[in-house]
Amino acid sequence: GDSVTQMEGPVTLSEEAFLTINCTYTATGYPSLFWYVQYPGEGLQLLLKATKADDKGSNKGFEATYRKETTSFHLEKGSVQVSDSAVYFCALKAGANSKLTFGKGITLSVRP
Amino acid sequence: NAGVTQTPKFQVLKTGQSMTLQCAQDMNHEYMSWYRQDPGMGLRLIHYSVGAGITDQGEVPNGYNVSRSTTEDFPLRLLSAAPSQTSVYFCASSYSGLGTEAFFGQGTRLTVV
Repeated sequence: GDSVTQMEGPVTLSEEAFLTINCTYTATGYPSLFWYVQYPGEGLQLLLKATKADDKGSNKGFEATYRKETTSFHLEKGSVQVSDSAVYFCALKAGANSKLTFGKGITLSVRP
Repeated sequence: NAGVTQTPKFQVLKTGQSMTLQCAQDMNHEYMSWYRQDPGMGLRLIHYSVGAGITDQGEVPNGYNVSRSTTEDFPLRLLSAAPSQTSVYFCASSYSGLGTEAFFGQGTRLTVV
């Protein structure tokens, strides 16, 4: 079945450091890929998405590129801020009425 | 802009009690779903619905019931609460479609003692 694997956490970085969070997936066909973010005490919200191979999703300085050859969708940001501290989830959707399949999430803490 | 509204935000139940978690959305989304979030487990799908009158089971449906009598509402019922159901519950909705965004409620933190 479909699955998403995220790197183990938590991750702690200093402000202005470079961020990479790895995400790989297994799915049949051509899924859409998503990154969701959960700030403390809140629900999840979409950070960015990509719907076909080689697409790059971007938002708030974060980027991720849909790599079909490596089945990956790694999240990057060039300079993190304290306000980026949150839990980040990689997810895929394999069909129009399919469920979202989530990775386990990773907690990012950014210290001043 | 209500979006997805979940009630209550917090709840404590005794083992064996029943309750209903409410979820309502005002975006006319066809697809609605319930997840539970547990430490180290990510989000796991409990039940979902692709439209009014249609529901189906997700990964962890045991101990939960759902119904979808209207497009807007998708309540989750705990039939006889158990400590293993202590979790944070999220309701989500979206349009049908491969690349559509899911909108999440704020969550319900449930503790079963």
